[in-house]
Amino acid sequence: DGGITQSPKYLFRKEGQNVTLSCEQNLNHDAMYWYRQDPGQGLRLIYYSQIVNDFQKGDIAEGYSVSREKKESFPLTVTSAQKNPTAFYLCASSMTGARSGNQPQHFGDGTRLSIL
Amino acid sequence: ILNVEQSPQSLHVQEGDSTNFTCSFPSSNFYALHWYRWETAKSPEALFVMTLNGDEKKKGRISATLNTKEGYSYLYIKGSQPEDSATYLCAFNSGYSTLTFGKGTMLLVSP
Repeated sequence: DGGITQSPKYLFRKEGQNVTLSCEQNLNHDAMYWYRQDPGQGLRLIYYSQIVNDFQKGDIAEGYSVSREKKESFPLTVTSAQKNPTAFYLCASSMTGARSGNQPQHFGDGTRLSIL
Repeated sequence: ILNVEQSPQSLHVQEGDSTNFTCSFPSSNFYALHWYRWETAKSPEALFVMTLNGDEKKKGRISATLNTKEGYSYLYIKGSQPEDSATYLCAFNSGYSTLTFGKGTMLLVSP
């Protein structure tokens, strides 16, 4: 079945450590997104990519980095510069094109990151 | 920063009750309004994408309406079942490729 796979499901980070969250999709979607969810907050956009080798900052990009070397993959690195990384992270993908705003997004199951 | 508001924040109903909740969004620069259902321990699932003022969409017992002039959308669930328990998210699109999400309405349906 086509879908989005995020790994790992749970991740623990030590202070000062970078960690990378994996997101892979086999939906042949051009666009991919990373969101962060905190208690009592809506999903907030960290980074997004509309095409391979291109990505843009979302609303809360500070302390994060991404790459988009392959269409299927959009890994997110949480760097040591992110002072409050404990959160639930969701990856999503969608079709793009002239009417991309009306394309639904497809989500993975998420990764929960905690600080040791 | 776009403001997308959902109300109520949470709702607890009995099986068989009908319920509805609201999503408010900017009435200017509207392109699309999305609804998602997010069940516990699962990934969010798209319910509807609505683009036209006055639009009404239906999926089983769930339906949604859209008023772009006044900036709101209603989601209705007729005869709620325990399996409808989930967080319902709406998201606003202004024509670019990104969505702005509300905080969601958490629905609990008791048997």
